Amino acid sequence: DAGITQSPRHKVTETGTPVTLRCHQTENHRYMYWYRQDPGHGLRLIHYSYGVKDTDKGEVSDGYSVSRSKTEDFLLTLESATSSQTSVYFCAIPAPRRSANTGELFFGEGSRLTVL
Amino acid sequence: QQQVKQSPQSLIVQKGGISIINCAYENTAFDYFPWYQQFPGKGPALLIAIRPDVSEKKEGRFTISFNKSAKQFSLHIMDSQPGDSATYFCAASMNNAGNMLTFGGGTRLMVKP
Repeated sequence: DAGITQSPRHKVTETGTPVTLRCHQTENHRYMYWYRQDPGHGLRLIHYSYGVKDTDKGEVSDGYSVSRSKTEDFLLTLESATSSQTSVYFCAIPAPRRSANTGELFFGEGSRLTVL
Repeated sequence: QQQVKQSPQSLIVQKGGISIINCAYENTAFDYFPWYQQFPGKGPALLIAIRPDVSEKKEGRFTISFNKSAKQFSLHIMDSQPGDSATYFCAASMNNAGNMLTFGGGTRLMVKP
């Protein structure tokens, strides 16, 4: 089954603690994306990667960092979590069997993060 | 600043009725307009998409209407079914922008039996 595996699926943490979310893909795609979903805002791009060690900022990158040391893994880190980072985080890749630049993304099932 | 504005935020439709969700965009460089459907606890999934060289695209009960001059596009769900109850997102992207999508705020659709 195609895919993306996100971990953890649920996490509750306290303000000021570091948090790392992991996205693992089995499609060997160059591009990977991290979005956050909040009511009324839809999904907003945090960071994306276009290859190993190649990453760039998205619309809402403040407070987040990413790393991509292997094609299959894309990590999102909150160095010091804040309550405003309570959200559902989605990892995405271009839809399987599609090249980049089609605008079609395949999303993981999300990681729900609560920062108390 | 939201580049893609979506309305309504929520919608209740009777079974068999037509559901209509509207989106407007600002950036004329956008050239691909997908709609995503999301069920609770799941990630969004591509439903249907259109490019600006056509004014309408139909797939089964789902139709996208596109008005390039008005910078608006809409999703019509004909013969709406309870199984269509979900959150719908419109989105837009630019060619050669690495699949980066700009999403609307979402519409929660409930279809009553």
